[in-house]
Amino acid sequence: GAGVSQSPSNKVTEKGKDVELRCDPISGHTALYWYRQSLGQGLEFLIYFQGNSAPDKSGLPSDRFSAERTGGSVSTLTIQRTQQEDSAVYLCASRRTGGDTGELFFGEGSRLTVL
Amino acid sequence: SQQGEEDPQALSIQEGENATMNCSYKTSINNLQWYRQNSGRGLVHLILIRSNEREKHSGRLRVTLDTSKKSSSLLITASRAADTASYFCATPVSGGYNKLIFGAGTRLAVHP
Repeated sequence: GAGVSQSPSNKVTEKGKDVELRCDPISGHTALYWYRQSLGQGLEFLIYFQGNSAPDKSGLPSDRFSAERTGGSVSTLTIQRTQQEDSAVYLCASRRTGGDTGELFFGEGSRLTVL
Repeated sequence: SQQGEEDPQALSIQEGENATMNCSYKTSINNLQWYRQNSGRGLVHLILIRSNEREKHSGRLRVTLDTSKKSSSLLITASRAADTASYFCATPVSGGYNKLIFGAGTRLAVHP
């Protein structure tokens, strides 16, 4: 696609419910990143994919968080049993690898509100 | 802990003035990137500087890198109201581009 696409753009859920956030990277981009940004804060690294594998999951806050990527393309970030502290904007980014410039292309984010 | 930290946290200037933001980092790097974020939206890449470069220009942007001090600066010359945004530096944790860590950002407000 033309850019990184994330859905939903906004999600309001009740505490304890599960949510899935989707990221469609730019076609051909093999690296994919998830970050979390709380209100007025910087970006917190969550996980990084190279192809379908995740060499670095160190940023996932707890075992309630998981992510997968299939077909080297779409990625899903799942948060189980959501808590109010999970409220944030979840940003996805992709990068072309192999002689690339290192530039990350970001989506517009999914704003999650846990009531 | 943060790999990169920006300074100041917030900056307020008048149109036409220059804006300087600084970034410090902790480990050795082979590149450093600057991004911009308009309120509530995704980040946009501005410029990348490699460890063997000391200065780089792109339009009204000037980036410097001092690897001996583990610091970088972003200068925006002749600022405009449209430059109002948050600016972040990003550095790789272990070389390459694989795991980019962002600082807390500098919030820039340019007043007409």
